[in-house]
This record gives sequence, C-alpha cells and structure tokens, in this order.
Amino acid sequence: GQNIDQPTEMTATEGAIVQINCTYQTSGFNGLFWYQQHAGEAPTFLSYNVLDGLEEKGRFSSFLSRSKGYSYLLLKELQMKDSASYLCAVRDEGSGGSYIPTFGRGTSLIVHP
Amino acid sequence: ETGVTQTPRHLVMGMTNKKSLKCEQHLGHNAMYWYKQSAKKPLELMFVYSLEERVENNSVPSRFSPECPNSSHLFLHLHTLQPEDSALYLCASSQDSSGANVLTFGAGSRLTVL
Repeated sequence: GQNIDQPTEMTATEGAIVQINCTYQTSGFNGLFWYQQHAGEAPTFLSYNVLDGLEEKGRFSSFLSRSKGYSYLLLKELQMKDSASYLCAVRDEGSGGSYIPTFGRGTSLIVHP
Repeated sequence: ETGVTQTPRHLVMGMTNKKSLKCEQHLGHNAMYWYKQSAKKPLELMFVYSLEERVENNSVPSRFSPECPNSSHLFLHLHTLQPEDSALYLCASSQDSSGANVLTFGAGSRLTVL
C-alpha cells in the first residue's frame, strides 16, 4: 500500500507562485498524478510523472524525485480561478497486476486578490 | 461536461430506503470505478470494473452493491445505509485498468443518509 502526505490547506496571492508538495511511501512505484478539483465539480487531470524531473505545462509544472519519494506541483501567475483542491495520486502495482492510483487527502488552495 | 455523467447529483435517503446511483460514459473507455469522497479524507476506491467484470473490491460493506451491465454504464445500488455513508460518490472511467490509467471523473452524487 501507499502512504501519501500533502498539506491540508495553503493560501497565496493572485499573481504569485505557489508550490504544493506531496510525499509518498510505496513499493513498486509506477507513476504520480496531480488532479485539480473545484468545489462541487469533478476532479480533472493536470499532470503525470513517472521519471525524475520537471514536466511543464503552461502555468503549471510538476516535479518528481523517485529516490526521495517526493513530488511538487508548481503554479505560476496565480489566478483566482486556481482556488481549488489539488489531489496527489500515486500508482503502484496492485494485486493481479493492476495499477490503480491511490489518492492523498488533497490540498485546498485559496487564492486571495 | 467531462464525458462522465452521474445521476442524481444529490440524494437524501433514510436508512431503510433502497436507491441507486447511475454513471454513464461516452468516451469508449473499458474500465469504470466508484470512489467515495468524504470531508478531510482521501478518495477511497470502492469498486473497479474492467470490460464489465469486477476486478477489484476494496472490502466495501455489502450494503453497497455495484452493477456494470455494459462498458458504458455503472450503477451503485444502496440499501440499509448508515449516516456515516453520507459522502460524495464519484464515478470515473479510464481506457483500461492498467497502463497509463488517466482517470476521467464525473461530478459526483452527493449522498445524505438521515
């Protein structure tokens, strides 16, 4: 199984940069996902990392260090609409060869004007 | 619309009622999932179906009964629930249950058990 840890809540100012960390302990690591979930809406896929390093996608970047069991999601030029919950999910080899991700508790990001 | 539609969006039921949650996807995916989302808790995987066959059941109480009649539809039948079962129930689909496995979620069914 996995142990996934991320901060419960973070606040930041519009236009700033924020980094949301996720640490995990797992055997058979096979990738890490970040999802965004606005209140009352479906979680939506943001990024996927399976190799060490930084993946950049517009204002959002995701970093992975497999040796440290660590990832972060970096949000630049914050906008009010970025206020949401950010879910870290880790995939490892489960029973029967399945790779179903396990989720952390999510980090609630509040962006202030 | 995310491609995964859940109905009803809100449901209030008593502990002796029987109700069902419905999920439908038109993405051509072969795997479908039920997750439970409670406040301050991680998403909890309940059931996984791949090509209409249940491949994972995470020790969910028998008062929750899933049904997958085809690869586009998934149901969660509810009976004699407890107040602690009140939560947001999310359906998701993916291309298959292994591999890249990016999940597409529905908006959820908010369940309140009185």
